[in-house]
Amino acid sequence: DIVMTQTPLSSPVTLGQPTSISCRSSQSLVHRDGKTYLSWLHQRPGQPPRLLIYKISSRSSGVPDRFSGSGSGTDFTLKISRVEAEDVGVYYCMQATEFPQTFGQGTKLEIK
Amino acid sequence: QVQLVQSEIEVKKPGASVKVSCKASGYILNNYAMTWVRQAPGQGLEWMGWISAYNGHTNYAQNFQGRVTVTTDTSTSTAYMELRSLRSDDTAVYYCARESPYDYGRVTLWGQGTPVIVSS
Repeated sequence: DIVMTQTPLSSPVTLGQPTSISCRSSQSLVHRDGKTYLSWLHQRPGQPPRLLIYKISSRSSGVPDRFSGSGSGTDFTLKISRVEAEDVGVYYCMQATEFPQTFGQGTKLEIK
Repeated sequence: QVQLVQSEIEVKKPGASVKVSCKASGYILNNYAMTWVRQAPGQGLEWMGWISAYNGHTNYAQNFQGRVTVTTDTSTSTAYMELRSLRSDDTAVYYCARESPYDYGRVTLWGQGTPVIVSS
């Protein structure tokens, strides 16, 4: 199975400031079709996850443009350009290139 | 309205089975794949299994091999996840999620979650 490792596991941030989360996979996420199926999800307490980014950098419908994804191969990053109060919660990276799909451990974003 | 509505909370004894339903509305069930994910209390997300949009082909996480089955019923637009031989560490919230048949990992629609409690 592909292991997804996120850093940091906890991230205290100041409102209005930028932040980033890293995700590293144990092997390349380039699919045989040439695409890379790396997604980012956000979960608030008591709610189901919400898709933010898919295929490394494509924003899901309705996701603010302060969220951006980048990376390639085995190293990926989610950036929030200006953190807002509603961004608190846990962020997960997920690979869907190979079965079984696997998630990172999660990064908890908190406001300082 | 496009949504996934899951069945209500389940309380089961160890060794029993549970079958969680996920009713799709506002779209054609088999135009999308369906993924099942669970989350134990205070823990992260764990992928369980997946059923293809096109041919009903399934894939399961090794951790659940032989204990889990995911199916769809197009006549009722409902997906199901059955987990057998329940243990206390199967206590979790179980989610269904609609996945694009073209963009793997594009899970844009989630059910509200079904808590399953396994306790003697």
